[in-house]
Amino acid sequence: EDQVTQSPEALRLQEGESSSLNCSYTVSGLRGLFWYRQDPGKGPEFLFTLYSAGEEKEKERLKATLTKKESFLHITAPKPEDSATYLCAVQTMNYGGSQGNLIFGKGTKLSVKP
Amino acid sequence: NAGVTQTPKFQVLKTGQSMTLQCAQDMNHNSMYWYRQDPGMGLRLIYYSASEGTTDKGEVPNGYNVSRLNKREFSLRLESAAPSQTSVYFCATSAGYYNSPLHFGNGTRLTVT
Repeated sequence: EDQVTQSPEALRLQEGESSSLNCSYTVSGLRGLFWYRQDPGKGPEFLFTLYSAGEEKEKERLKATLTKKESFLHITAPKPEDSATYLCAVQTMNYGGSQGNLIFGKGTKLSVKP
Repeated sequence: NAGVTQTPKFQVLKTGQSMTLQCAQDMNHNSMYWYRQDPGMGLRLIYYSASEGTTDKGEVPNGYNVSRLNKREFSLRLESAAPSQTSVYFCATSAGYYNSPLHFGNGTRLTVT
């Protein structure tokens, strides 16, 4: 069964304290892995798409990496405004013809204290 | 440029009542989707429309119907609401090409009592 697991469920950091969020997946062929940011009361906001093992993408203090079994979202010197829930989603080879047929993880809630 | 607009933002229904959730996009995207988000669970796909004139079931379609009114609008209808349908509902769009990302609205928070 295709599955996406994010860890930890919650992470508290001090401002400037770098860390990583993990997204591990077991799927029958990966088409793409997506990272989203979700603020309270808002819809998820697209951050990155990763397609193949070894790929990396960066945006400001965020850097996403991909291996054959997992993806990491590295946060360098975080600020309070980085506080949000970060969602990981995968699209498999058996996506049923819809780009929206993603398997979402449950998310990691990140809190950054000043 | 509003992106994806959902109405209403909040709704309280009694068991057995019906309602329609509205979604409109100005992104000129071909594909539109309805998801639900529940505490402790990931987002789950209810229905989607790959292009104007087509709709298909997702992972959790029971108790829902959809209408793709035109390229811009995609509605979700609850014919007889149940407490199990208490959730946050998100509409999303994508350009529809391979691995195109989803763009979400800000959700409708529905409570069924």
